[in-house]
Amino acid sequence: DAGVTQSPTHLIKTRGQHVTLRCSPISGHKSVSWYQQVLGQGPQFIFQYYEKEERGRGNFPDRFSARQFPNYSSELNVNALLLGDSALYLCASSLASDGQPQHFGDGTRLSIL
Amino acid sequence: GDSVTQMEGPVTLSEEAFLTINCTYTATGYPSLFWYVQYPGEGLQLLLKATKADDKGSNKGFEATYRKETTSFHLEKGSVQVSDSAVYFCALSSLGGYNKLIFGAGTRLAVHP
Repeated sequence: DAGVTQSPTHLIKTRGQHVTLRCSPISGHKSVSWYQQVLGQGPQFIFQYYEKEERGRGNFPDRFSARQFPNYSSELNVNALLLGDSALYLCASSLASDGQPQHFGDGTRLSIL
Repeated sequence: GDSVTQMEGPVTLSEEAFLTINCTYTATGYPSLFWYVQYPGEGLQLLLKATKADDKGSNKGFEATYRKETTSFHLEKGSVQVSDSAVYFCALSSLGGYNKLIFGAGTRLAVHP
């Protein structure tokens, strides 16, 4: 079975631009979460979506937004990119909304110039 | 708020040596605890988990026991291999109705032949 898939794998943007990252969960998983991993640090929680509704939000500015589609895939959008947004963005899926192990994709490496 | 503290790396060992990576946590209630591993250029893979006090998670020769009295979840392996070289993250699943993982900063392990 396919794992969590993310696209693109790498992306280079300039300050002020916007970006859309995509994630397809494991088949049957209804929950998708997004994390930001800055180089040398642990991942930081951005959002969780379950059944197309936002269930949790981390301490990120409103420039970050996300949505989940009827097929449970998800998009993360970031507007007005800053140099500090350079990071590995990880998507994770799980069966349910709470307490289930999360399975991660390989991430999208976003570089801001 | 909830947090996870891991021993700083890098940890450098010879093949077949004993491994311990310390992890302590601060949390309200009794969260689930996880160890994830990240190989170069990849996302996070779930290594093992424990959901309640005194549970022992194990996988691929790695073990960790949920110690409520010391709020710890130390990772151990009796005999490491070169292929175990990676970054290891301790994490807790924050309670509250959604699936938010809080990660430690990660510990890099390098195993030499």
